[in-house]
Amino acid sequence: RKEVEQDPGPFNVPEGATVAFNCTYSNSASQSFFWYRQDCRKEPKLLMSVYSSGNEDGRFTAQLNRASQYISLLIRDSKLSDSATYLCVVNIRSGGGNKLTFGTGTQLKVEL
Amino acid sequence: GAVVSQHPSWVICKSGTSVKIECRSLDFQATTMFWYRQFPKQSLMLMATSNEGSKATYEQGVEKDKFLINHASLTLSTLTVTSAHPEDSSFYICSAETSGGALGDTQYFGPGTRLTVL
Repeated sequence: RKEVEQDPGPFNVPEGATVAFNCTYSNSASQSFFWYRQDCRKEPKLLMSVYSSGNEDGRFTAQLNRASQYISLLIRDSKLSDSATYLCVVNIRSGGGNKLTFGTGTQLKVEL
Repeated sequence: GAVVSQHPSWVICKSGTSVKIECRSLDFQATTMFWYRQFPKQSLMLMATSNEGSKATYEQGVEKDKFLINHASLTLSTLTVTSAHPEDSSFYICSAETSGGALGDTQYFGPGTRLTVL
C-alpha cells in the first residue's frame, strides 16, 4: 500500500466549478500535512498547510481527519490558472528531522 | 525570502559520464537539504537527507556510491550522479530547510534539474 494515496485524475472541470480532491495516508505517526501544487516540468510549490480544525485560504479549503487518516482540498470558483497537479504531502518527524512523503498527485484541468 | 536555486536546470550527457548538480539556498542558511527524484507521472521520491558537515542519510534502495552528496556549507549541497545510465534520466529536485525562526521547519524547493542520459 502506498504511504500517500491520491486519485490521479485528471479532473476536467469548467471554469467557476467547485472541485474536491481527497487523499489518504497510511502512517498514523504523520505529524503535519500539506497540499502542494506542481505545474508541468516545474518544482512543487506549497499551496497550504492542513490543520485538524480545517483551514481556508481564499478559494481553497483544506480539511484533515486524523481518525480516518484522510485529507481533502476544496477549490471553489476554479480558474484556468488552477490547472496543475495537486500533491498531498505528509510529514513524519523522526530522529530530530523531517521527512516529507508525497502522493503521486491529482491532475486538474480547468476549461473554458 | 527563502529562495533555493539549482544548477544546471537541465543537462544531457552520454552514458558513463558523471553529472554534478548544485543546490543553493540564496537568502537563508539551510541546516538540512534534501534530494528528491521524480520520474514521469510519479511522485517525488526522497533520495537522501544531508546535514551540513556530516554524511548524508540515504533512503532504502538508493545507492550512496552512485549518488554522491556533499553538503559543504550551510548554503550549498551537491549531488553527483556517477557513471550515469539512461535509467538515471529523471527530474532531480532539491529542497532546503532551516530550523526555527520565521521560516520554521518548512522545506523550500529548488526549480529542479532535468537529467537526460543518452
